[in-house]
Amino acid sequence: DAKTTQPPSMDCAEGRAANLPCNHSTISGNEYVYWYRQIHSQGPQYIIHGLKNNETNEMASLIITEDRKSSTLILPHATLRDTAVYYCIATRNTGNQFYFGTGTSLTVIP
Amino acid sequence: KAGVTQTPRYLIKTRGQQVTLSCSPISGHRSVSWYQQTPGQGLQFLFEYFSETQRNKGNFPGRFSGRQFSNSRSEMNVSTLELGDSALYLCASSSGTSGDTQYFGPGTRLTVL
Repeated sequence: DAKTTQPPSMDCAEGRAANLPCNHSTISGNEYVYWYRQIHSQGPQYIIHGLKNNETNEMASLIITEDRKSSTLILPHATLRDTAVYYCIATRNTGNQFYFGTGTSLTVIP
Repeated sequence: KAGVTQTPRYLIKTRGQQVTLSCSPISGHRSVSWYQQTPGQGLQFLFEYFSETQRNKGNFPGRFSGRQFSNSRSEMNVSTLELGDSALYLCASSSGTSGDTQYFGPGTRLTVL
């Protein structure tokens, strides 16, 4: 699985869009990009994933660059409940073993 | 569908004891993975079971073991507990198909005294 790099922390004003970047420059063609978040001491919550195309669901949008070396998770209207650690994972997901990095601690400010 | 459930949610043990944690996956899911989360090491993969067989294993000592039953429920056992085993233990379930999403349970908080 490709190594991912994320900023350790970010702040976002409530109601504004939160844009969380992730670098995965060594990603291979069959590796997906997954995003999870973890609210203090709870189990990680699945947000979204993609392979090549941009994806959107009710929680967020995932923008993957054309060369697939980086991606951005967008929370369109951040709320206080979005304060969490966000993990970006690049994986073939064979054998269901995810390698979590240190993630980005997002704080949504009132 | 009900989510992934883990029991117990909290556990306190002393050094040298053993512990068994349980995980019930989402109905229809055949794969269960276990992870350990500590402040120092973050989230680390322990092992994965699929159709009652261990399919993948992380880099943990043999004191950590698991099994999966025919109904896909899984148990994880840690023998001869050490202080450093204090952690949040998480399980995740999925269909087991490549590329399928894993869904995590709430975790079991183990404290070793």
